[in-house]
Amino acid sequence: GAGVSQSPSNKVTEKGKDVELRCDPISGHTALYWYRQSLGQGLEFLIYFQGNSAPDKSGLPSDRFSAERTGGSVSTLTIQRTQQEDSAVYLCASSLVRAAGDTQYFGPGTRLTVL
Amino acid sequence: AQSVTQPDIHITVSEGASLELRCNYSYGATPYLFWYVQSPGQGLQLLLKYFSGDTLVQGIKGFEAEFKRSQSSFNLRKPSVHWSDAAEYFCAVGFHTGRRALTFGSGTRLQVQP
Repeated sequence: GAGVSQSPSNKVTEKGKDVELRCDPISGHTALYWYRQSLGQGLEFLIYFQGNSAPDKSGLPSDRFSAERTGGSVSTLTIQRTQQEDSAVYLCASSLVRAAGDTQYFGPGTRLTVL
Repeated sequence: AQSVTQPDIHITVSEGASLELRCNYSYGATPYLFWYVQSPGQGLQLLLKYFSGDTLVQGIKGFEAEFKRSQSSFNLRKPSVHWSDAAEYFCAVGFHTGRRALTFGSGTRLQVQP
């Protein structure tokens, strides 16, 4: 079956511009996560959606970052007034939420470069 | 705060040699444990996971990992490394309650010499 897909694969933007990154999770997965991977770093959690519950936004680094998930499926991560420190690979993951433990499946990521 | 430590930033092994990548976590209870691999320009692929039960888990591509509660460790092993194993490896922990997001280590980059 299809995995998690993300678009665009690469995005180059100028400082101060807004960008939107898209994630299509695996069909039927109720949970969706956004992570950020900066150069030479591990993955940093950004935001988590689960069903109709309020999202866990505890990882968003500033109010320039926001995300939404429409219809319990596709998600868009928006970064407003981009800064050079926003340059990173943005990874999306999805999972089925199980009491016994969730396995997150990752998309290929969007590489964002802010000039 | 919960944390995951991968003490080796970079490891080089010869093809055919054995491999062990270290992972230690700091958490009050036993978390879920994962190893992911990331090839250049690719997303993360799940190698194996530990939720409960047998502490030695088998994964894809001939990898295995052993959970040692007393050492808070979940080291990844492979008896004979192939050149295609060159990649970055991430250990991650998840939790039984509360936040579902994973906490990742900073990764170990594996280089394989012919």
